[in-house]
Formats: sequence, structure tokens, C-alpha cells
Amino acid sequence: DQQVKQNSPSLSVQEGRISILNCDYTNSMFDYFLWYKKYPAEGPTFLISISSIKDKNEDGRFTVFLNKSAKHLSLHIVPSQPGDSAVYFCAARSSNAGGTSYGKLTFGQGTILTVHP
Amino acid sequence: GAGVSQSPRYKVAKRGQDVALRCDPISGHVSLFWYQQALGQGPEFLTYFQNEAQLDKSGLPSDRFFAERPEGSVSTLKIQRTQQEDSAVYLCASGQGNSNEKLFFGSGTQLSVL
Repeated sequence: DQQVKQNSPSLSVQEGRISILNCDYTNSMFDYFLWYKKYPAEGPTFLISISSIKDKNEDGRFTVFLNKSAKHLSLHIVPSQPGDSAVYFCAARSSNAGGTSYGKLTFGQGTILTVHP
Repeated sequence: GAGVSQSPRYKVAKRGQDVALRCDPISGHVSLFWYQQALGQGPEFLTYFQNEAQLDKSGLPSDRFFAERPEGSVSTLKIQRTQQEDSAVYLCASGQGNSNEKLFFGSGTQLSVL
């Protein structure tokens, strides 16, 4: 049972354009969402997050949108740069994850983003 | 060190062999997590430590998997009698242990069981 789904395995975008990565979830207990970026042979690195009490969070070129009624979130990167080429993982957690285990995350399968010069 | 360090980087094991994977978290980080990432999938939670206490091991796939963090710093994930389905990248992550938990991941150990 895949509770966090990234239905697009890959996305190709021209440099300077907008990249939109999508993520859907099924568990209504999830109340905090994160995006991680992963380069080959490296571990995932935190990019941006959003709490369920918000519908938008922005950090520079990165914006995450949350639609709770649709159980959908998206990551917008604008303008896209070749250095953004990586695998992007959507992750979610519940405040009821157990004890203080705020880091117990459920990840999607990832989307490979390629930004062409 | 500045980041989370994992060793070995690669491990090849024969089926039935025991393996031990090491994680050095960021100094001072209270929380430590182990995740398993199969090829083409996202990381999946295995177990969680707060200091030396293992508070959640619900993700460990079988009793062949065992993790410890005896002094609240370095952690070891041990897999006994490895099977081919254990082949994956094993990621360790550490954090400060607060509600704004941002996990810092190591580069992982890629385990191949032949």
C-alpha cells in the first residue's frame, strides 16, 4: 500500500522554465510534508517543507503547494537550472508517528528531473 | 565530521553471510534513523533511536535485522543470514530531535547479496 505516490517517474524541462513535480497521498493523518533532493551516490538532502495548516510555502526558487482536500502537493521550481537535475522525493509524516519520532517519514518513489541547458 | 558518515560505501555478501553497517551521525544529534531504499523506490523506514534508546523498530522486515546505538552516537545495523531480497541501499539519517525535524542523510551503504 503506497501511501505517498509520485506518479511521474521522470520530468524533462528546459533551463529557465518552470518545473512542477507532483505528489499524492492517501493517509489523512499526514500533517507535515517535505521534499528531498538526491544526487547520484549521495544521500537525500532536505529542500523545503510545509505544514498542513498552510497551503503554500516559498523559499527562493522553490515553492510547495498543498491541497488538503485533494490530498495533493506540488513542488514548483522557477526558473529551473541545470544544477537542479536530480531525483526529487516527496515525503510525509504524522504527528502521531509515535513518541517524538518526528523523523519517521513515508517517501514517494521519486521523480527524476532533468533540466536541459 | 560535518555530515553523516556511513561505512562501508559498498558491501557484497554471499547469501547466508552476516553483515554490519556503520553510521556516524552528526555530532550532538539526538535522533538517528535507518532507512532501506530498494532500486527505483523511495527510502523506507526501518528503525529509530533517541540517544541510545531504540524507540521504534516497526520497520525492520524480519528478526534477522538488528540495530544498536549503545552510547547514543555511532549506530550499527546488523543483518544476519543475508538473503537476496536484502539487496538495497541502507541510509542512515540523524536529526536534532525536535518537532521541526529535518533529517540529514548519509550517502548510504549499497548492499548486494549474491
